[in-house]
Amino acid sequence: AAGVIQSPRHLIKEKRETATLKCYPIPRHDTVYWYQQGPGQDPQFLISFYEKMQSDKGSIPDRFSAQQFSDYHSELNMSSLELGDSALYFCASSITGYTEAFFGQGTRLTVV
Amino acid sequence: EDKVVQSPLSLVVHEGDTVTLNCSYEVTNFRSLLWYKQEKKAPTFLFMLTSSGIEKKSGRLSSILDKKELSSILNITATQTGDSAIYLCAVEGGGGGTSYGKLTFGQGTILTVHP
Repeated sequence: AAGVIQSPRHLIKEKRETATLKCYPIPRHDTVYWYQQGPGQDPQFLISFYEKMQSDKGSIPDRFSAQQFSDYHSELNMSSLELGDSALYFCASSITGYTEAFFGQGTRLTVV
Repeated sequence: EDKVVQSPLSLVVHEGDTVTLNCSYEVTNFRSLLWYKQEKKAPTFLFMLTSSGIEKKSGRLSSILDKKELSSILNITATQTGDSAIYLCAVEGGGGGTSYGKLTFGQGTILTVHP
């Protein structure tokens, strides 16, 4: 069965650089969520999109932005990276109101 | 502020033991409570509990939702070394009417099962 695909799996960036993470939801899922999980911490909700519109916003820094495209894939853009941005970034997708959230494998971002 | 608290934070048992993991929550507009198992990477889904389905069972795992006490337990019987993982409790809800699917996670319980 198709799952949530995230790319890249690993990313190493220097401070003040920019990173773009991509998420391809399960086909026919209309909602995408982004979570950030720091070392030893629980996942924290960043932002979500429903039918290409932002539906909710959590603890996403102003340096980050995201969007969902017409094919439902989503991109998380992170600028002016800081050491504290090093984390595992998960994307999840669901059919709103009908299914649980299915998670991708995550992108491990390391900022050096 | 929405809050999910899990206990214990860490648990070490031997194979064959039974464990009970706890999750309590304070979330506005509660919709469902989910349990996930996280090994090295992505959380993998175990159970979803809602008002219309407060008890679920799958093999050696079972879970109950107590909406009155705003809590849930996850039971694992006859534990195996492969059960070693972080078990995350997450609650769907919070915020306004567009918050379908938004999950607030607990800190997780790290379960270690020794042979």
